[in-house]
Amino acid sequence: NAGVMQNPRHLVRRRGQEARLRCSPMKGHSHVYWYRQLPEEGLKFMVYLQKENIIDESGMPKERFSAEFPKEGPSILRIQQVVRGDSAAYFCASSSIGTAVNYGYTFGSGTRLTVV
Amino acid sequence: AQSVTQLGSHVSVSEGALVLLRCNYSSSVPPYLFWYVQYPNQGLQLLLKYTTGATLVKGINGFEAEFKKSETSFHLTKPSAHMSDAAEYFCAVSVTGNQFYFGTGTSLTVIP
Repeated sequence: NAGVMQNPRHLVRRRGQEARLRCSPMKGHSHVYWYRQLPEEGLKFMVYLQKENIIDESGMPKERFSAEFPKEGPSILRIQQVVRGDSAAYFCASSSIGTAVNYGYTFGSGTRLTVV
Repeated sequence: AQSVTQLGSHVSVSEGALVLLRCNYSSSVPPYLFWYVQYPNQGLQLLLKYTTGATLVKGINGFEAEFKKSETSFHLTKPSAHMSDAAEYFCAVSVTGNQFYFGTGTSLTVIP
């Protein structure tokens, strides 16, 4: 019973390149959440998606960042033209309907993005 | 709006001593409260949660927390620290259950 799978675990990009972070939710989970953890900070909400729908993107930067959760396949967080300030750990979490409150999220192990 | 304040970014305790990690929250409606633990280079693991009912909640690894509405607090405690408890601890609040607000974390060091 695999948990939330994120890949890659570590990603190094040069400034100006694109970063693609993938998240496969737990089996049976249809809700995906992305959080960003900057050094020495807590996790900050970015976006909440269900299959083929963005439900809440209030935490997403207005430019360069986008997220999707297609009908088939993993959720993708895409960062275009990365800058040094994008260096962070990006965590994905998933839940099934009605369980986020009862059980909290199930988090993946994160993707650590380093922009050089 | 919701927010979480964790007092003390670093806490050190001796092995066998009481662990107390502080969390205060701000919420305009009754919140759901959580504590998560993060080991180095890993994701967050749920320690315990408060949704409704009993205000003293017990979690994994001997941790517990008490919801005190009058003090808007949800402090995490463990009677006797173990070396394996050394980690980063995050308090979180949610109202909708779909967006969590996390504190900045408390790094716990256990001294042998």
